[in-house]
Amino acid sequence: EPEVTQTPSHQVTQMGQEVILRCVPISNHLYFYWYRQILGQKVEFLVSFYNNEISEKSEIFDDQFSVERPDGSNFTLKIRSTKLEDSAMYFCASSELLPSTDTQYFGPGTRLTVL
Amino acid sequence: GENVEQHPSTLSVQEGDSAVIKCTYSDSASNYFPWYKQELGKGPQLIIDIRSNVGEKKDQRIAVTLNKTAKHFSLHITETQPEDSAVYFCAANGGTGFQKLVFGTGTRLLVSP
Repeated sequence: EPEVTQTPSHQVTQMGQEVILRCVPISNHLYFYWYRQILGQKVEFLVSFYNNEISEKSEIFDDQFSVERPDGSNFTLKIRSTKLEDSAMYFCASSELLPSTDTQYFGPGTRLTVL
Repeated sequence: GENVEQHPSTLSVQEGDSAVIKCTYSDSASNYFPWYKQELGKGPQLIIDIRSNVGEKKDQRIAVTLNKTAKHFSLHITETQPEDSAVYFCAANGGTGFQKLVFGTGTRLLVSP
């Protein structure tokens, strides 16, 4: 069964450093998302991406964040200057059709630790 | 925007018992309600979903009910097994055109043998 994959599984970085989290969505899916989950809290939406542009973003997704689909398979989340409060699990998800009513499949996540 | 409340935060049952988790949502435009199961160290896995044109959906031991008037939906797990132990999240989509899922706060289900 096709699945969303994410690398790395765990990323440790120093405050102020840039990090790039990588995702490979399911191959025939058209919509891509990033969510984050601070330890013990609920999953929060960050951004959705379709047709090579951001289609919706949350208040969390400020100028420090960016997303990119550099090739036909990868989808990346970049945090330019990490802060302690960016420490969280980051989940990539993808859906095939209209995201408002279609299933979003989640990857296993990247645990980001900012020291 | 949409807000989803989920109860209880923890639920302990004996193997074979039923478990019920309840969620309420605020935006009447929401029309898609998935449930995800999250095991320790893993990403959320979809277990069942329901759209606003139906009131109930069942898949083996799992069922979801939706009351649009009251704006609440529930997950029912029958004949629980230890492997059902996990954190369960409900979510709502905020209606057509909204692309994000808004998640509830999660329910930690513990099924004791």
